[in-house]
Amino acid sequence: QKEVEQNSGPLSVPEGAIASLNCTYSDRGSQSFFWYRQYSGKSPELIMFIYSNGDKEDGRFTAQLNKASQYVSLLIRDSQPSDSATYLCAVINGGSQGNLIFGKGTKLSVKP
Amino acid sequence: GAVVSQHPSWVICKSGTSVKIECRSLDFQATTMFWYRQFPKQSLMLMATSNEGSKATYEQGVEKDKFLINHASLTLSTLTVTSAHPEDSSFYICSARSPGEFYSPLHFGNGTRLTVT
Repeated sequence: QKEVEQNSGPLSVPEGAIASLNCTYSDRGSQSFFWYRQYSGKSPELIMFIYSNGDKEDGRFTAQLNKASQYVSLLIRDSQPSDSATYLCAVINGGSQGNLIFGKGTKLSVKP
Repeated sequence: GAVVSQHPSWVICKSGTSVKIECRSLDFQATTMFWYRQFPKQSLMLMATSNEGSKATYEQGVEKDKFLINHASLTLSTLTVTSAHPEDSSFYICSARSPGEFYSPLHFGNGTRLTVT
């Protein structure tokens, strides 16, 4: 059973701090990794994706991938109250038609 | 680009009735669409994979006769919840990606909140 694991949180950080979200996955053959943000009652929206080992930066967001450790993380710099949401880590289900397997999500709360 | 539209956003129905949810790819053709379900405080779980012009593939534990999927065109997939019961109340979300981009992100519709009374 392919799995994606995340700490459910809640993770609470003060406004302006760095939020660090972590994710591990079980399928060593996974090649594509995604972070989605989901506000309560809403559909997931894509934050970042990463395919290669190392860091990928987009504005205040940095995704980090370590395939050897089967670990992917998301850093949010200068956290804002509007970043308060559940962050979902996802990988493509290899051998399938391309559906995503999601972690249970980490709930982030940014305190003003 | 890659916009997925889902309708309705929410629906309330009585137990025993059927509900149809539509998922459209607005600016691309989607030979494959994915239907997810999310119960409160849980993550998204794949229900089925919808394939244009052929039968859908259902995940283990999902009743194909209860959750009817029709993918009659390259831009439309429908999910019909038949004989709905209160335990079917959930958030149903469809998704798709642009063709030829297997490793790219999935784009999600806005979801349908189903409440069965």
